[in-house]
Amino acid sequence: QVQLVESGGGVVQPGRSLRLSCAASGFSFSSYAMHWVRQAPGKGLEWVAVISNDGSNKYYADSVKGRFTISRENSKNTLYLQMNSLRAEDTAVYYCARDIAGRPRGASDIWGQGTMVTVSS
Amino acid sequence: SYVLTQPPSVSVAPGKTASISCGGNKIESKSVHWYQQKPGQAPVLVIFYTSDRPSGIPERFSGSKSGNMATLTISRVEAGDEADYYCQVWDSSSDHSVFGTGTKVTVL
Repeated sequence: QVQLVESGGGVVQPGRSLRLSCAASGFSFSSYAMHWVRQAPGKGLEWVAVISNDGSNKYYADSVKGRFTISRENSKNTLYLQMNSLRAEDTAVYYCARDIAGRPRGASDIWGQGTMVTVSS
Repeated sequence: SYVLTQPPSVSVAPGKTASISCGGNKIESKSVHWYQQKPGQAPVLVIFYTSDRPSGIPERFSGSKSGNMATLTISRVEAGDEADYYCQVWDSSSDHSVFGTGTKVTVL
């Protein structure tokens, strides 16, 4: 079945790095843009980044630009989020989500279960 | 940056209609998407491109737009509709996706 599974979350100290992965299955991964969306505890949804289906276009929220990098390996059906210089305010559940198109349109019809990232000393 | 404003909460009796608004500058020129999120679960897309429903979403869910406001309408509300609802747009001027502030729907 169509599925996204995130991994790589955990507890990390401020200023350190973490890489999240999102394994896709059940659909043609290379046909869709992919997003990362996060949700801080008790807060609303915050869009983080998106990458086009072929990886040629990447866009970031202002809050993470210059610190986070989104990438994908279509041969491995996997999406990544490299997070550097982590801050306490990056603490959140991170979801990967499939866009409904190859170029970003915003609407995400498939979501993973999320992985928790806690930034704390 | 682009901002989408939603009411923090909406209360509705079972069987009645709930309307959730989403306001944003020049929203009339954007496609609006809506998500339902229940506690401890990932969001679920319930409306895309302002008024289209994904397969599996009940016809009770509908979307519309008028002026600078988009609206998600839930007809014949059921207890299982109790959740947080978020609107979203793709802002092509900044190449950013933006989520609304979220609305908690309580079924009385």
